[in-house]
Amino acid sequence: EPEVTQTPSHQVTQMGQEVILRCVPISNHLYFYWYRQILGQKVEFLVSFYNNEISEKSEIFDDQFSVERPDGSNFTLKIRSTKLEDSAMYFCASSREPNTGELFFGEGSRLTVL
Amino acid sequence: DAKTTQPPSMDCAEGRAANLPCNHSTISGNEYVYWYRQIHSQGPQYIIHGLKNNETNEMASLIITEDRKSSTLILPHATLRDTAVYYCIVRVLGRSNYQLIWGAGTKLIIKP
Repeated sequence: EPEVTQTPSHQVTQMGQEVILRCVPISNHLYFYWYRQILGQKVEFLVSFYNNEISEKSEIFDDQFSVERPDGSNFTLKIRSTKLEDSAMYFCASSREPNTGELFFGEGSRLTVL
Repeated sequence: DAKTTQPPSMDCAEGRAANLPCNHSTISGNEYVYWYRQIHSQGPQYIIHGLKNNETNEMASLIITEDRKSSTLILPHATLRDTAVYYCIVRVLGRSNYQLIWGAGTKLIIKP
């Protein structure tokens, strides 16, 4: 069964460093998403992406965050200058259609900022 | 904020039906109810969704009340692997697209 894959599974970084989290969505999906989950808290929407542009973003997704689809398969989330409060699990998801709630999630990348 | 409220935790015996309730009293007429689960910090997994009719798939059944103010997810024969946090989510319209707004979910523990 096709799946969304994410790398790295765990990254430890120093505060102020740039981090790039990578995702390979399901191959025939056209809509991509990033969510995050701080330990013990709710899953929070960050951004959705379609046709090489952001279609929706939350208040969390400020200027420190950016997303890119650098080639036909990868979808990346960059955090320019990490803060302690960026420590969380970051989930990538993809979907076949727009405006659907049926998303396929990856296993997540755990980011620890020291 | 999430438009749903769920009990924080529930237990169910293995082999029995697990019935997970959800209240969404402020749901609008065109907003769907989605259910996901998350097994021990893994990625969330889609289970089922519905608008007003009851729905069934290979994983679960979704019963939505006629007034749409509440719903119940039913796992017909719960196994130990069904232990997870179950999220009831109303899909709402954001600035331009629909979004899933997640609540705290119900931690379901299946006991042998």
